[in-house]
Amino acid sequence: GQNIDQPTEMTATEGAIVQINCTYQTSGFNGLFWYQQHAGEAPTFLSYNVLDGLEEKGRFSSFLSRSKGYSYLLLKELQMKDSASYLCALMDSNYQLIWGAGTKLIIKP
Amino acid sequence: GAVVSQHPSRVICKSGTSVKIECRSLDFQATTMFWYRQFPKQSLMLMATSNEGSKATYEQGVEKDKFLINHASLTLSTLTVTSAHPEDSSFYICSARSAGEVGELFFGEGSRLTVL
Repeated sequence: GQNIDQPTEMTATEGAIVQINCTYQTSGFNGLFWYQQHAGEAPTFLSYNVLDGLEEKGRFSSFLSRSKGYSYLLLKELQMKDSASYLCALMDSNYQLIWGAGTKLIIKP
Repeated sequence: GAVVSQHPSRVICKSGTSVKIECRSLDFQATTMFWYRQFPKQSLMLMATSNEGSKATYEQGVEKDKFLINHASLTLSTLTVTSAHPEDSSFYICSARSAGEVGELFFGEGSRLTVL
């Protein structure tokens, strides 16, 4: 079967850096996604990793280690608007997404 | 990026009535669309996978006679909640993948259904 774990909630300070971890177990793997979701809104795409390594996109970076079943989303220079839930999602062998429960990120001034 | 439009964004209905939610891909063809439901403070739950021109594939525990899905064209999928009850009140979100693409999913804005 498949399983995805990520922390329920994290708190960070404006201007700082935060790393949100995601671990998974799966028999088939076709990539790992990170989405951002503000309360009451649909998720928006942040990143897609299918190969090991770090993908950088502006203030956000995503890392994947397939052998360890591990990914993280790194947010730099945190802004208040980054307060949201961050969803880790695994694409399985049937190209369907298996969603984590999401990590609620709270940014404090 | 590609745009997926979902309508209506909010709907309030009486118990026992039916509600239709539309999901359109505006600038690309979507052979596959996904319908999700999200309860407050919970993650997205996949309800069904909608394939153009064929019957939808429902996830375990989702009643196909209650949640009717029609994917009549490459740009439109509809979800009809039949005989709605208060426990059906939720945030319904669709997403679509461009034909031939494996990667990114594009999401609609979501529809918040409140059943009185």
